[in-house]
Amino acid sequence: DIQMTQSPSSLSASVGDRVTITCRASRGISNFLAWYQQKPGKVPKLLLSAASTLQSGVPSRFSGSGSGTDFTLTISSLQPEDVATYYCQKYNSDPLTFGPGTKVDIK
Amino acid sequence: QVHLVQSGAEVKKPGASVKVSCKASGYIFTNYGFSWVRQAPGQGLEWMGWISAYNGNTNSEPKLQGRITLTTDSSTSTAYMELRGLRSDDTAVYYCARASGLIADYWGQGTLVTVSS
Repeated sequence: DIQMTQSPSSLSASVGDRVTITCRASRGISNFLAWYQQKPGKVPKLLLSAASTLQSGVPSRFSGSGSGTDFTLTISSLQPEDVATYYCQKYNSDPLTFGPGTKVDIK
Repeated sequence: QVHLVQSGAEVKKPGASVKVSCKASGYIFTNYGFSWVRQAPGQGLEWMGWISAYNGNTNSEPKLQGRITLTTDSSTSTAYMELRGLRSDDTAVYYCARASGLIADYWGQGTLVTVSS
């Protein structure tokens, strides 16, 4: 099975900072990658699919890139409401494995 | 608007089974599938399986195969996840999500399943 890793596991940044989270697949998955945001105590929310397609209603400060094995989620200007854990998930084939998550908070 | 409402919290003894329901509304039920995802306390998301509401095709996480059954009932627009042989490490919040292709685009509110003797 393809394994998913994320780095860093957690980060602390200031409001307005640019934040980048990396997701890596152990084998190529083309662009079959989604990103989810889970705020504390809340239900996960889909942010992006196909590695870079922003879901309707998601702020444009979120963006994604990558293909094959290496992917990034970028928050261009971190806001207090972005405090959350972010997960990547591959969906090219089952099992549809999630990454372990990256916890983002405000410095 | 898309809405997924899950059944309420459950407490089960080790070895028992649990069946969680997920009632969908706001879209054509058979045009999408359902993914099931769980989250143990303080842990990350774990994909459990997927079912097509169109034809009932399923896939599941290999380590759960033999214990998990996914079904749908189009007459009530409801998806079900049954997990058998419960163990303490099955204690988690269980989520259903509408699957657009294989992408979980709308999520239910979650169902806490506690396994304890």
